[in-house]
Amino acid sequence: AQTVTQSQPEMSVQEAETVTLSCTYDTSESDYYLFWYKQPPSRQMILVIRQEAYKQQNATENRFSVNFQKAAKSFSLKISDSQLGDAAMYFCAYKEGRDDKIIFGKGTRLHILP
Amino acid sequence: DVKVTQSSRYLVKRTGEKVFLECVQDMDHENMFWYRQDPGLGLRLIYFSYDVKMKEKGDIPEGYSVSREKKERFSLILESASTNQTSMYLCASSLGDRGLYHYGYTFGSGTRLTVV
Repeated sequence: AQTVTQSQPEMSVQEAETVTLSCTYDTSESDYYLFWYKQPPSRQMILVIRQEAYKQQNATENRFSVNFQKAAKSFSLKISDSQLGDAAMYFCAYKEGRDDKIIFGKGTRLHILP
Repeated sequence: DVKVTQSSRYLVKRTGEKVFLECVQDMDHENMFWYRQDPGLGLRLIYFSYDVKMKEKGDIPEGYSVSREKKERFSLILESASTNQTSMYLCASSLGDRGLYHYGYTFGSGTRLTVV
């Protein structure tokens, strides 16, 4: 069965600095999607970034980018120029290509220090 | 603004009560999901549905059932609430794959259920 592992339960970063959240996953499939979701204190889950496994180019969305290492089954999220509004729980997630179920990691709580 | 709406933000119920958690989406999505979120455990899939009247068990279906009589509405039912069902419940919907692109899920804002 596919699994998603986030090894950092909590992290802190100084405002304006860069932080990287780690994620590894286990799958025998070649066709899949990876996501990072953000859950702020409001509890609303927000999609931050997505990556299709068939794409070699790393996805970027403004200050958010990923380092997708398919062979290593690693999918880390880099947040540049951290802002106070980035404080949230971040979930790494995996979806197999032929199914619509998403498997989530246990999350990393990110604190932004002013 | 497209939306997934969960009927209650907070709910307190007594042990043994039958509890209904409602979820409505206005995006004409085929697929809907119920997750449970607990600290240190992330999100775990309870049930999902890919069509009206269709339902499938997720990873932790015990003690729960669902109903999907209309495309836009997906209800989670706790037949006899127990204290170990105290949790945050998240509903989500999805268009599914569109060619080689998947938009991810749209989530509701969650229902925090306390069973006393």
